[in-house]
Amino acid sequence: DQQVKQNSPSLSVQEGRISILNCDYTNSMFDYFLWYKKYPAEGPTFLISISSIKDKNEDGRFTVFLNKSAKHLSLHIVPSQPGDSAVYFCAASGGNNRLAFGKGNQVVVIP
Amino acid sequence: DGGITQSPKYLFRKEGQNVTLSCEQNLNHDAMYWYRQDPGQGLRLIYYSQIVNDFQKGDIAEGYSVSREKKESFPLTVTSAQKNPTAFYLCASSFGQINEKLFFGSGTQLSVL
Repeated sequence: DQQVKQNSPSLSVQEGRISILNCDYTNSMFDYFLWYKKYPAEGPTFLISISSIKDKNEDGRFTVFLNKSAKHLSLHIVPSQPGDSAVYFCAASGGNNRLAFGKGNQVVVIP
Repeated sequence: DGGITQSPKYLFRKEGQNVTLSCEQNLNHDAMYWYRQDPGQGLRLIYYSQIVNDFQKGDIAEGYSVSREKKESFPLTVTSAQKNPTAFYLCASSFGQINEKLFFGSGTQLSVL
């Protein structure tokens, strides 16, 4: 039973526009959330995280929003760049150092 | 440079054969993890180890075995009992603190001949 869900498996966006990726979770014990970026045949690289005590965290072009009541988080990338074309994984943990991952969203940024 | 090294990059397994995937880290991390990725799927946890000489099963441990004899090394053996071993295998590590990001290696693609 998947505890972290990423719908809309792929997203195409024009360069310079905003990319919005969504993630829903079912386990109310999750209190730390991360986004990873992955290129083909490479390992994921950490992008940004947020603790459940916050509702927003920003790092340059990347912002993550957390809505605890809806068990929903989103990643905003603005402006989108061609190098952002990758698969983005949402992950969550409940304090046991075991991350649960979503299935990923493929983002294609069109120059 | 500190990091996580996985080898080989590509590996082929014959039917009934055991194969071992290597994972080495020089980040002085206490915790190490093995994940499996299938096409269109998220990462699923196979095994993890929070300290030397100790490891726990993850969500899909059947058909796999691990050892943690050294802090730097966490090899994964895919045994003949794993009937569907073709996947991309990712090793990760962390300091093992609560709510901490994982650092990943570059992965090993395992295929069955």
